[in-house]
Amino acid sequence: DAGVIQSPRHEVTEMGQEVTLRCKPISGHDYLFWYRQTMMRGLELLIYFNNNVPIDDSGMPEDRFSAKMPNASFSTLKIQPSEPRDSAVYFCASSSSGGANQPQHFGDGTRLSIL
Amino acid sequence: GENVEQHPSTLSVQEGDSAVIKCTYSDSASNYFPWYKQELGKRPQLIIDIRSNVGEKKDQRIAVTLNKTAKHFSLHITETQPEDSAVYFCASTGTDKLIFGTGTRLQVFP
Repeated sequence: DAGVIQSPRHEVTEMGQEVTLRCKPISGHDYLFWYRQTMMRGLELLIYFNNNVPIDDSGMPEDRFSAKMPNASFSTLKIQPSEPRDSAVYFCASSSSGGANQPQHFGDGTRLSIL
Repeated sequence: GENVEQHPSTLSVQEGDSAVIKCTYSDSASNYFPWYKQELGKRPQLIIDIRSNVGEKKDQRIAVTLNKTAKHFSLHITETQPEDSAVYFCASTGTDKLIFGTGTRLQVFP
């Protein structure tokens, strides 16, 4: 099993640019979670999907952030326009049926730097 | 609202000593309590978990205890080694999602 795969691993871009982060969950997992990690705020849940449907996006900071899951094997997190305060490590995680009551497996993350 | 408090925020121990990290949760309906270890620059990795029908679980040098009445759960690491140095996160279930603690930075000195 390849685990959760995220791309890119690192992204450096200028303020105002659009940023797209990608995630491939573990095959057969039907829950997908997007987290943001910073020193100040720790690990924050942004949004999660069940069977490709967004269930809770209350953690999405503002309208500049959007997430999609067009099929069971792919999800994107988009920031448009990006701002320096969006700099963080973004993790994607997936779990099997049972949602929060099952272990979540994290990808290696995308380290995002907005200049 | 749902929250998890984790203490201490930093912990330094001598190699071979034990380390204990404690968490308190607020949602009495929580029934799953995982612990994650995150090494510098790496992803969080599940190291042990416990469900509400069990009071204690062990896996070699690590153990987790759960007190549902008090809404406390703890991670115990015995015979610590330098490679145990990392940030440890506890979590508990909220409404179909995990609520994470703020993390404990454990340093094990040789």
